[in-house]
Amino acid sequence: AQSVAQPEDQVNVAEGNPLTVKCTYSVSGNPYLFWYVQYPNRGLQFLLKYITGDNLVKGSYGFEAEFNKSQTSFHLKKPSALVSDSALYFCAVRVAGYSTLTFGKGTMLLVSP
Amino acid sequence: EAQVTQNPRYLITVTGKKLTVTCSQNMNHEYMSWYRQDPGLGLRQIYYSMNVEVTDKGDVPEGYKVSRKEKRNFPLILESPSPNQTSLYFCASKIGTDSAGHQFFGPGTRLTVL
Repeated sequence: AQSVAQPEDQVNVAEGNPLTVKCTYSVSGNPYLFWYVQYPNRGLQFLLKYITGDNLVKGSYGFEAEFNKSQTSFHLKKPSALVSDSALYFCAVRVAGYSTLTFGKGTMLLVSP
Repeated sequence: EAQVTQNPRYLITVTGKKLTVTCSQNMNHEYMSWYRQDPGLGLRQIYYSMNVEVTDKGDVPEGYKVSRKEKRNFPLILESPSPNQTSLYFCASKIGTDSAGHQFFGPGTRLTVL
């Protein structure tokens, strides 16, 4: 079985400061990892993904994430947070060769002015 | 514009009254999927479809049906809705059937079953 853990229900950061949203996963097989963002009253939008290759993945809106196989983590980061980054963030994992995408419970990011 | 559309966006119904939530995508995607989102539980997959006439159960299929008669449409059917199916529902699609692709999500349907 595959699973994703997002240990923080909410992350608070001041505008201009770096942000990190944590994600760890558990799979049997090679993981494909994804981050999605959900703004209020909207569907999920794709941010970035790790499939293979470079462990540091860059995505939309200045976000990046680092795949760490030994720690089974895929933390989302941004060097300088914006108030407009405030949203609900989901980490998800799929095992290579399988169709089921498993989501974490989500982390609410609140960026204060 | 490439998009996934869902209708209705909001629905209030009563226990036992059959309903259908439609989902359509205009990107010629092979893969389509339904999820429900509940507070503290994230998104859970209900059903998915790899292509026309090919559907399979996700993690929480009980109480739901789907069909895939056309590539662009993937309706979600609740034959006898119950209050525990009150939730926010999302349809999603992606190109191909390989596991590396990311999904495009619809705007969501908020369902309340009284």
